Amino acid sequence: QSALTQPPSASGSPGQSVTISCTGTSSDVGGYNFVSWYQQHPGKAPKLMIYEVTKRPSGVPDRFSGSKSGNTASLTVSGLQGEDEADYYCSSYAGSNNVVFGGGTRLTVL
Amino acid sequence: QVQLQESGPGLVKPSETLSLTCTVSGYSINSGYYWVWIRQPPGKGLEWIGSIYHSGSTFYNPSLKSRVTISVDPSKNQFSLRVNSVTAADTAFYYCARDNPPDYWGQGTLVTVFS
Repeated sequence: QSALTQPPSASGSPGQSVTISCTGTSSDVGGYNFVSWYQQHPGKAPKLMIYEVTKRPSGVPDRFSGSKSGNTASLTVSGLQGEDEADYYCSSYAGSNNVVFGGGTRLTVL
Repeated sequence: QVQLQESGPGLVKPSETLSLTCTVSGYSINSGYYWVWIRQPPGKGLEWIGSIYHSGSTFYNPSLKSRVTISVDPSKNQFSLRVNSVTAADTAFYYCARDNPPDYWGQGTLVTVFS
């Protein structure tokens, strides 16, 4: 199985919006509405930010939103804040009780 | 509050078996959910290793399936990971977590394959 494709880096100024893409295939991202996004700060465990493409767990700010079109999912962070600077990973169900992750995107708040 | 804690040796020799245990508190494994292992080589991305359902059914990453075993011990509220025939490529932070997608994570433990 191949990892999902994410850009290695993204950036934006405080208050701006930034979108991170996650490209897979019809066997994973395009085939199921089970895309998730995780935020990971240095030295910490990942934190679930989005699940089932668009849903936010309790406690995640509504500045974080998810979407999907075809084989590409996206995470948008609006109103960027310094604390949003982190690595972001996407994942997707890939059938047969299998999960695949993206390579990660480092978000820098300028 | 659900908490997970990984434990096990931090150093493993090549060709030997990596064994980790995840102790769950604040929730009974028998009550439901998938219980998951994920790893992350230092400075690299996440890799799903596999999961076990509370009933005992297991699901593994196809690329690791031949070397991985996940088991559960409800009496201790723990689940475990074994990876056979390790190489340097298995050096990583290993995380245990609850459910797919994981909503609660352990803090992670670094396992280094080193001769």
